[in-house]
Amino acid sequence: EAQVTQNPRYLITVTGKKLTVTCSQNMNHEYMSWYRQDPGLGLRQIYYSMNVEVTDKGDVPEGYKVSRKEKRNFPLILESPSPNQTSLYFCASKWSFDRDRGIVGNQPQHFGDGTRLSIL
Amino acid sequence: KQEVTQIPAALSVPEGENLVLNCSFTDSAIYNLQWFRQDPGKGLTSLLLIQSSQREQTSGRLNASLDKSSGRSTLYIAASQPGDSATYLCAVSSNYQLIWGAGTKLIIKP
Repeated sequence: EAQVTQNPRYLITVTGKKLTVTCSQNMNHEYMSWYRQDPGLGLRQIYYSMNVEVTDKGDVPEGYKVSRKEKRNFPLILESPSPNQTSLYFCASKWSFDRDRGIVGNQPQHFGDGTRLSIL
Repeated sequence: KQEVTQIPAALSVPEGENLVLNCSFTDSAIYNLQWFRQDPGKGLTSLLLIQSSQREQTSGRLNASLDKSSGRSTLYIAASQPGDSATYLCAVSSNYQLIWGAGTKLIIKP
């Protein structure tokens, strides 16, 4: 079954304790992305990756790191979490974002079920 | 900078009614526009994707339209059912990013 898997689904932790949220997709997608969702603000992009070893900042990258060492995995790292990073996080993937410019390969993004992080 | 707005923020209608959700965006230079559904505690499900060259897309009881020149999209839901209750989000694709609206929370009353 084609899917995007995030872990953990829920996490309560304390300020300053490094954490990693994993994201894995089994569809051989090139493009992967992390979003956070906050009430009244919709989803905002944190980082995205066009392919292995290619990552770029989204709209709200401060306080986050990512890596893309292999195609299927795109972990989100919070080196020193703070309470303002309490949020609902989504990982997403799609075949290729560049192909949005044409008709072929214009595919929607597939999303994980989300990770609810609470930083105390 | 692209901004996406969804109005209303919440909507409650009786079962069986047809309804329209609205999405507006400020920059018409988009690649496509997508409508998603979000259920509580669940991820996001893609409903419809309209490419920038298209005017509308249909899937079952759902019909989405796109007017790039006016920066508007609508999601039409026919014969609404309680199972349609969810938050509906629109997102525009531009410059390697998806820019999202804050969503419309829809409640269909039995």
